[in-house]
Amino acid sequence: AQSVTQPDIHITVSEGASLELRCNYSYGATPYLFWYVQSPGQGLQLLLKYFSGDTLVQGIKGFEAEFKRSQSSFNLRKPSVHWSDAAEYFCAVGMDSSYKLIFGSGTRLLVRP
Amino acid sequence: DAGVIQSPRHEVTEMGQEVTLRCKPISGHNSLFWYRQTMMRGLELLIYFNNNVPIDDSGMPEDRFSAKMPNASFSTLKIQPSEPRDSAVYFCASSFVSGQPYEQYFGPGTRLTVT
Repeated sequence: AQSVTQPDIHITVSEGASLELRCNYSYGATPYLFWYVQSPGQGLQLLLKYFSGDTLVQGIKGFEAEFKRSQSSFNLRKPSVHWSDAAEYFCAVGMDSSYKLIFGSGTRLLVRP
Repeated sequence: DAGVIQSPRHEVTEMGQEVTLRCKPISGHNSLFWYRQTMMRGLELLIYFNNNVPIDDSGMPEDRFSAKMPNASFSTLKIQPSEPRDSAVYFCASSFVSGQPYEQYFGPGTRLTVT
């Protein structure tokens, strides 16, 4: 069955430090991949998406993600974290011939001043 | 565009009462999704509609839950009767789907508390 794994439940980084959030998926074909961010009390906001083409995709708020087929991964990165990036981040995968997105369990990012 | 609109934003009700959550999707989108988010179970897909037709309701927890989409601009999720374990944040999301998955746009959610 298709699945998405975010192995880190919590991550704490210092403001200004770099960030990498991990996401691994299980799917036989090329997936459609998404990263969403959820600030406290808010809905999910799309950060970026990968459908095909260049495996390094740029998103909003200075985030980027890289699709690595050999590792079944789609890790989210940011070179310098800001305090306002503290939130929960969700990776999601979509599959051909389905409207559904499968969401990971989320990673909560805490930012130290 | 105003984005996905949900109402109410907060709902507190007593066990046994009927609860109706409302959603207005983004204009032009043809798919609508209802999710439930809890600490224990994370984000769960309850039901999704395509062109106002329910496609998959396998995530609806039990018969107490029902959802309708009478037209392209409005959907409701009803719980009758409500129970304390229904307390959660309920999200509506919409998307334009044409043969492959596309990004979903989420509303702000309705926080439901059943006492």
